[in-house]
Amino acid sequence: GEDVEQSLFLSVREGDSSVINCTYTDSSSTYLYWYKQEPGAGLQLLTYIFSNMDMKQDQRLTVLLNKKDKHLSLRIADTQTGDSAIYFCAEINTNDYKLSFGAGTTVTVRA
Amino acid sequence: KAGVTQTPRYLIKTRGQQVTLSCSPISGHRSVSWYQQTPGQGLQFLFEYFSETQRNKGNFPGRFSGRQFSNSRSEMNVSTLELGDSALYLCASRGGVSYEQYFGPGTRLTVT
Repeated sequence: GEDVEQSLFLSVREGDSSVINCTYTDSSSTYLYWYKQEPGAGLQLLTYIFSNMDMKQDQRLTVLLNKKDKHLSLRIADTQTGDSAIYFCAEINTNDYKLSFGAGTTVTVRA
Repeated sequence: KAGVTQTPRYLIKTRGQQVTLSCSPISGHRSVSWYQQTPGQGLQFLFEYFSETQRNKGNFPGRFSGRQFSNSRSEMNVSTLELGDSALYLCASRGGVSYEQYFGPGTRLTVT
């Protein structure tokens, strides 16, 4: 089965880098995702990585994947107040396209 | 391209009633999945529809059902509402062979 775990809270100073960590268990995962949820909103797909990759960079976002340890991280460079949100790590079961989510990491950006 | 739309955005219902939620996927997308989000259980998969057929179902009671129309729009129905059904219901749209799933803004259901 699938089980995704994340730390629950992260506080970061504006302008610093944020690193959000996630571990997953499904060895058959082919895609891993990061979603962002702002208050009262749905989920915004930020980025995703194919499981045969080690790293993906997209503007201020860098995703690192350690397949051996089943560890995924999202780094946000130059964190801004607009980055305050809940960030969800998710993996997909390619047999049924079902996303399994972590509990979400609440990121608070302080001035 | 317009994103995923969900209606209504907010609903208040009484225990025992039933409710129907609607989701319109991104134009050209044929897959629609539904998820329930609650503070206690987090995000949980309800079911997925593709070309009007339910392909997968999560671990929810039979009170939760859905369907998809020929234009790919999907509806989700919950009968005999319970207080625990209060949640944010999200639908996600996926196109073709892509693994990218795009979510709508959700419908906030409150059961009193």
